[in-house]
Amino acid sequence: GQNIDQPTEMTATEGAIVQINCTYQTSGFNGLFWYQQHAGEAPTFLSYNVLDGLEEKGRFSSFLSRSKGYSYLLLKELQMKDSASYLCAVMDSNYQLIWGAGTKLIIKP
Amino acid sequence: GAVVSQHPSWVICKSGTSVKIECRSLDFQATTMFWYRQFPKQSLMLMATSNEGSKATYEQGVEKDKFLINHASLTLSTLTVTSAHPEDSSFYICSASLAELNYNEQFFGPGTRLTVL
Repeated sequence: GQNIDQPTEMTATEGAIVQINCTYQTSGFNGLFWYQQHAGEAPTFLSYNVLDGLEEKGRFSSFLSRSKGYSYLLLKELQMKDSASYLCAVMDSNYQLIWGAGTKLIIKP
Repeated sequence: GAVVSQHPSWVICKSGTSVKIECRSLDFQATTMFWYRQFPKQSLMLMATSNEGSKATYEQGVEKDKFLINHASLTLSTLTVTSAHPEDSSFYICSASLAELNYNEQFFGPGTRLTVL
């Protein structure tokens, strides 16, 4: 079956760095997405990785290793507004998104 | 960027009534639209995928006679929850994908919170 695993919840301090991991097993691979979702709102796109390596976008970076079925989202200089759920999603061979359950990130002052 | 709207943002209805939710792509033509449902503290669950002018493809376990999807144009898809019951209360989110993008990124609407009394 298809499976996306990510931690349920993480806590970090304002100004610090946090890494959210995601491992996946899917039928085919056409890219991995990270989305941010604040409570009661729809997800917003953060990043897309289809090749191995690190993609940096401001305070957020996303890494992919296809051979390991592994990705992480790195958030630097954490701000209180970064408190949200972070969803990892993989596009399979049918171009269907398989969603992880999300990681709730709690930022403390 | 691509903008997707949903209407209404929230709706409260009595058990047994039907509710229609609209999803529009405002500044692009969407080749495919997706409907998701999200229960509290859970991830997104894909309900169905629809392409303009053709019947929607429903995920396993989703009743197509209960959740009617109409994709009349490249900018509008509607989801009708027929004979709604309290267990249908959820956050319904649509998304639209743009074929021109290599990776079929999905742009999400703001969601519709449905409460069935």
